[in-house]
Amino acid sequence: QQQVKQSPQSLIVQKGGISIINCAYENTAFDYFPWYQQFPGKGPALLIAIRPDVSEKKEGRFTISFNKSAKQFSLHIMDSQPGDSATYFCAASMETNAGKSTFGDGTTLTVKP
Amino acid sequence: SQTIHQWPATLVQPVGSPLSLECTVEGTSNPNLYWYRQAAGRGLQLLFYSVGIGQISSEVPQNLSASRPQDRQFILSSKKLLLSDSGFYLCAWRGSGGLGTQYFGPGTRLLVL
Repeated sequence: QQQVKQSPQSLIVQKGGISIINCAYENTAFDYFPWYQQFPGKGPALLIAIRPDVSEKKEGRFTISFNKSAKQFSLHIMDSQPGDSATYFCAASMETNAGKSTFGDGTTLTVKP
Repeated sequence: SQTIHQWPATLVQPVGSPLSLECTVEGTSNPNLYWYRQAAGRGLQLLFYSVGIGQISSEVPQNLSASRPQDRQFILSSKKLLLSDSGFYLCAWRGSGGLGTQYFGPGTRLLVL
């Protein structure tokens, strides 16, 4: 019930291409879905987040698509750049659960120049 | 603005030695605090969380303990380290009444030899 499944585990994209990372959850009580970006040796940092009452959110080159009925959400990185090479984590949390987040296992993105 | 500090940044300890990692948050009051461990190339494992001074919840039974002696201070400890305790330890905070975003510290790299 608390799992968040993330795919793919790793992704290689050419510069300028679109990177797509998918996540699926089971618990319909989750009400907040952030994506984090982590560079080697650093802590994760919030990239973009969405609530389930919205189907899409866009910030610059980053877009979250959210499908409540399918219990899936995805991160799209448009015009991928070598500087986007990092590990990306999706997460899901509930306001009523001490704000604990359940994280996906991460996707290592490599953008080739 | 809020900032989160962790120290030390790197630590090499022998098996059986004690451990104390410290995390402090500035610029916010009554945050929820979290300790995570991240094994190399893996996801985030929630170890402990706290919603207030002296209130600690353990997620995974193990060789570690946590304490929150002050509102914005969170400490991770062990009496005797095991080889399996090696990893990247991350502290995070979240506003007690805010959105579900967690803000991570820079992390501590622990190597137990």
